[in-house]
Amino acid sequence: AQKVTQAQTEISVVEKEDVTLDCVYETRDTTYYLFWYKQPPSGELVFLIRRNSFDEQNEISGRYSWNFQKSTSSFNFTITASQVVDSAVYFCAQTQGGSEKLVFGKGTKLTVNP
Amino acid sequence: EPEVTQTPSHQVTQMGQEVILRCVPISNHLYFYWYRQILGQKVEFLVSFYNNEISEKSEIFDDQFSVERPDGSNFTLKIRSTKLEDSAMYFCATRGLYNEQFFGPGTRLTVL
Repeated sequence: AQKVTQAQTEISVVEKEDVTLDCVYETRDTTYYLFWYKQPPSGELVFLIRRNSFDEQNEISGRYSWNFQKSTSSFNFTITASQVVDSAVYFCAQTQGGSEKLVFGKGTKLTVNP
Repeated sequence: EPEVTQTPSHQVTQMGQEVILRCVPISNHLYFYWYRQILGQKVEFLVSFYNNEISEKSEIFDDQFSVERPDGSNFTLKIRSTKLEDSAMYFCATRGLYNEQFFGPGTRLTVL
């Protein structure tokens, strides 16, 4: 079965706090890709990162960092020194095997208060 | 910047009517996808399209849905007889160099 779980429905933080968004995935395939997308209040879906199943290196991009751990089937996303503009719904997603179907989690709504 | 644009941005229709949603790639793309997002819910895959053929579809993509690329440029999603539950945001996406999918701005479909 292919499933993505984002257990945190909503998170609220104060500006400059660090925040981690959790993502747990399920798959029977050894080959898969994991993604994070941001959906700001304007509604578009913005691609943030893609990671393949053979690359467990963590990644940092500015204030964003991602922690991929196959042992716990997790692909968590941390925003350091959060800003009001980070307020959005964040979706974790997965493709597996030869399929290009993105399976999304239910999303985590992040609110960053000034 | 999105690699596709979508028209219209908002479509209101009566139940039972046909609607066509359009996706226009900004540059040459071979892979296209449609997803939908019912208000407040997660994004759901509908169909993938490669080389003018459907390559994969979900159980949501039943006989009332169809896709085509009639002029080699626009990629369309047709819903033949809309139902109230078809009300959603519909996103078109294209594939990037590394299997990532870039989404268009979406079309909000409201069925009355």
